[in-house]
Amino acid sequence: AQKITQTQPGMFVQEKEAVTLDCTYDTSDPSYGLFWYKQPSSGEMIFLIYQGSYDQQNATEGRYSLNFQKARKSANLVISASQLGDSAMYFCAMRGGGTSYGKLTFGQGTILTVHP
Amino acid sequence: GAVVSQHPSWVICKSGTSVKIECRSLDFQATTMFWYRQFPKQSLMLMATSNEGSKATYEQGVEKDKFLINHASLTLSTLTVTSAHPEDSSFYICSASDHEQYFGPGTRLTVT
Repeated sequence: AQKITQTQPGMFVQEKEAVTLDCTYDTSDPSYGLFWYKQPSSGEMIFLIYQGSYDQQNATEGRYSLNFQKARKSANLVISASQLGDSAMYFCAMRGGGTSYGKLTFGQGTILTVHP
Repeated sequence: GAVVSQHPSWVICKSGTSVKIECRSLDFQATTMFWYRQFPKQSLMLMATSNEGSKATYEQGVEKDKFLINHASLTLSTLTVTSAHPEDSSFYICSASDHEQYFGPGTRLTVT
C-alpha cells in the first residue's frame, strides 16, 4: 500500500521569502512518481512539479523545486520568493507502479498563506 | 497542455434525485479516467477508475450502485450520483489520462 503524509496543516510565509512544504511517503514499489499540486480556492488542481524515483537530480520548475531524499522517503516542495498568489492548498501525491499504476494517492494537504 | 472539462461546474439538487456529472478530455483521447471526491479542506479521495468500454473499478468503501460510472468513449466519462442525500454533498473532480493525468476543474454538488 502507498501512503503520503503531509504533517503541516497550515504554513505562513512572508512575501518574497522561501518556504518548504513537507511530504513523506511510503511504498514498496521500486518505481514511482511524486507530484506536487496547488489547489486555489477555485478548486482546480494545478500541477507544479514531478520527480521520478529514478531521477538522479532534484526537479525544478521556475520558483518550485523538489527536495527529493530517497533514503528518507521525503519529497519536500520548496517555493522561493513567495508571492501573494501562492496562497492556496498544496498537495503532495504519489503514483505507484504495478497494479496501482496511474492511480494517485494524495497527502492531507497544507494550506499556505502568504502575508504581504 | 491537455484540457479536461467538467459539466456542470456546480449543481444543487434535492434529496432523493439523481445527478449526472460529465468529464471530457477536449484535445486528447483518455484511455483511463479517474473520479475523486473532496470534502472541504480535506484531501482528494479516489472513488473509482474507469477504462473506456469496460466496467469501472471502485475503491474500497465506495458504493458502486450509488455512484454509477460510465466511460462510453475515449473522451467522455460520466458519474451519476443516484438517490442523492445531503451527505453526498462534496466536490467531485475527474482526471483523464493518456499517459499523464490531467485534472478537470471540478463539480461542486450540494444536496438539499
